[in-house]
Amino acid sequence: DTEVTQTPKHLVMGMTNKKSLKCEQHMGHRAMYWYKQKAKKPPELMFVYSYEKLSINESVPSRFSPECPNSSLLNLHLHALQPEDSALYLCASSRGLAGGPTNEQFFGPGTRLTVL
Amino acid sequence: KNQVEQSPQSLIILEGKNCTLQCNYTVSPFSNLRWYKQDTGRGPVSLTIMTFSENTKSNGRYTATLDADTKQSSLHITASQLSDSASYICVVSYDSGAGSYQLTFGKGTKLSVIP
Repeated sequence: DTEVTQTPKHLVMGMTNKKSLKCEQHMGHRAMYWYKQKAKKPPELMFVYSYEKLSINESVPSRFSPECPNSSLLNLHLHALQPEDSALYLCASSRGLAGGPTNEQFFGPGTRLTVL
Repeated sequence: KNQVEQSPQSLIILEGKNCTLQCNYTVSPFSNLRWYKQDTGRGPVSLTIMTFSENTKSNGRYTATLDADTKQSSLHITASQLSDSASYICVVSYDSGAGSYQLTFGKGTKLSVIP
């Protein structure tokens, strides 16, 4: 299984809602990532988890709260979002921390988030 | 400043034709360079990864080249198909020390293949 799955595929929420994005992989990867991608822009790194511990937080606002319950799952909890947070949210995983020559990142299909 | 510049921003070609996408980078110290294909609204899919010592790497009709001296890479697509229509993103990894790496993403080239 070389797949990263994400649910839901689409999400529409109001600014007062609380919702969660989910990501799952069964490749035994120990690093997992959240990226945000606006239209016609490259993905922007938000969070990195390594061995289920948060290792990088790219100064993301606290209305985004990541969680890594186990080595296969990664969640992104959303609360009090703004319309400008509407974007494609991508999850990725890699065997070790990405960037190393042998640590290829596998991306999920993304969740298209719209904040009204 | 570590940067990855891709050209052209967009490209339209006829089905069956070849094309070449360019990537120039100023990332240092260089670790490896990756090309990804991203369909609209989907996650990126890896095409190739090249380290400093690799000049060429192929994946089917995709061939990537790397010139580490001039810090340039290209992605050549042969006999294009309609399904090649996507954004192609160049990502360069650099060694940030102590076994850690950082990824720098280019803005991508949007390729449209028309019948």
